[in-house]
Amino acid sequence: EAGVTQFPSHSVIEKGQTVTLRCDPISGHDNLYWYRRVMGKEIKFLLHFVKESKQDESGMPNNRFLAERTGGTYSTLKVQPAELEDSGVYFCASSQVGGNYGYTFGSGTRLTVV
Amino acid sequence: QKEVEQDPGPLSVPEGAIVSLNCTYSNSAFQYFMWYRQYSRKGPELLMYTYSSGNKEDGRFTAQVDKSSKYISLFIRDSQPSDSATYLCAMSHLQKLVFGTGTRLLVSP
Repeated sequence: EAGVTQFPSHSVIEKGQTVTLRCDPISGHDNLYWYRRVMGKEIKFLLHFVKESKQDESGMPNNRFLAERTGGTYSTLKVQPAELEDSGVYFCASSQVGGNYGYTFGSGTRLTVV
Repeated sequence: QKEVEQDPGPLSVPEGAIVSLNCTYSNSAFQYFMWYRQYSRKGPELLMYTYSSGNKEDGRFTAQVDKSSKYISLFIRDSQPSDSATYLCAMSHLQKLVFGTGTRLLVSP
């Protein structure tokens, strides 16, 4: 079984540019989550999809972040325009059933805004 | 104040030592308590989870939860160099995980 795939693995962009991160969950997993780790801080929740619907987006920092999951398969997280404080590692996780444990995480996308 | 507090380490031990990792938390609504292991440049990998208070054992790993003290622990027996990684505690409520900052563990041969 293929795991959660994220790409790119690393992205360096200039402040003000746009970046799109992609996550391919494990096939058949209806639940998809985005988390973020900013340098020196803990991993924090961003949002949760159930199929193509946003179940909870309470962790999204501001309206420069847009997440989509068209067709309930892969998801994208777009940052537009990127700011320096957006630098960090963005993790995607998926699970077959909703719940409070049992997520499989991807290896993350390391975003550096310069 | 952070919801979950975890000493970042690093914690250095010799091979074969017993390792104790701990977290404290403030939100009494947390019901699921997890430990994740994360190797460099990889995502967190679930090691163990516990529902509510109590102990859970899996091989060399034992997780303990004391909800009255809002304190959780992970014990690693007979530690191996391959256990060297960052260990993250996490707790969940309403399908959201709240992580500690992680403790970096170094097991020397």
